[in-house]
Amino acid sequence: ELKVEQNPLFLSMQEGKNYTIYCNYSTTSDRLYWYRQDPGKSLESLFVLLSNGAVKQEGRLMASLDTKARLSTLHITAAVHDLSATYFCAVVEYNQGGKLIFGQGTELSVKP
Amino acid sequence: EPEVTQTPSHQVTQMGQEVILRCVPISNHLYFYWYRQILGQKVEFLVSFYNNEISEKSEIFDDQFSVERPDGSNFTLKIRSTKLEDSAMYFCASSGASGGRDTGELFFGEGSRLTVL
Repeated sequence: ELKVEQNPLFLSMQEGKNYTIYCNYSTTSDRLYWYRQDPGKSLESLFVLLSNGAVKQEGRLMASLDTKARLSTLHITAAVHDLSATYFCAVVEYNQGGKLIFGQGTELSVKP
Repeated sequence: EPEVTQTPSHQVTQMGQEVILRCVPISNHLYFYWYRQILGQKVEFLVSFYNNEISEKSEIFDDQFSVERPDGSNFTLKIRSTKLEDSAMYFCASSGASGGRDTGELFFGEGSRLTVL
C-alpha cells in the first residue's frame, strides 16, 4: 500500500528566508504532484513531476523528484507572506491511473 | 480555461438524511474522481469512475455512498444516510486520457462543504 509522508507538518518562516519541504513515498510511482491549498479553498496544482531528476520552478518555488530515493522536495526561496498556505504532495501509484495518495500537508506560515 | 464545477458549495443536513453532491467535469475528460477532506486533515481518495462504472474505491466508500453519471455532463456523489463523521469538504476531480490510459493530471473543483448536524 502506497504511503506518502511529508515533513515538516508545520513551518513558520520569516520573510526572505529559504526552506525545504520533503515528501517521501513508499512504493514505485510514475507521477508526483504538489498542490497549494488556502484555508477553505480548493487544491491549486503547482507542479507535476514525471521522471527521475525532474526539476520545475515557478517563481519562488522549485520542486524536484528523485524516484530512486522516492523523495520529492519543494524548495522555497526568499519566502514572502503570500506563500502562506498548506502544501500537499500527492503520488500516483505506478500504473494505477489517476488515484492520488496525498501526504498530510505542510502548513506554511510566513511572517514579516 | 475549462474547469470542474461543483454544487452546492455548502450544504447543511441532519444526520440520517440523504445528500447528493453534483459535479460537472471538464467536457472532454473521461476519468472522474471524488476525494474527501475532513477539516484540518489530508485529502483522501474515495472513488474513481471510468466508462460508466467504478474503477476503484477506498475503504471509506462503503454502502452508504454511490456515484452516478446520469447524463453526459454531470457526475454525482450520493450519501444515503449521512452520519456526523461525513462532515467534510468533498472534491470532485477529472482527468483526460491518452491511448486509453488516464494521463493523470487531475483538475479539482472548488469543493462542496458538507456539514452534518
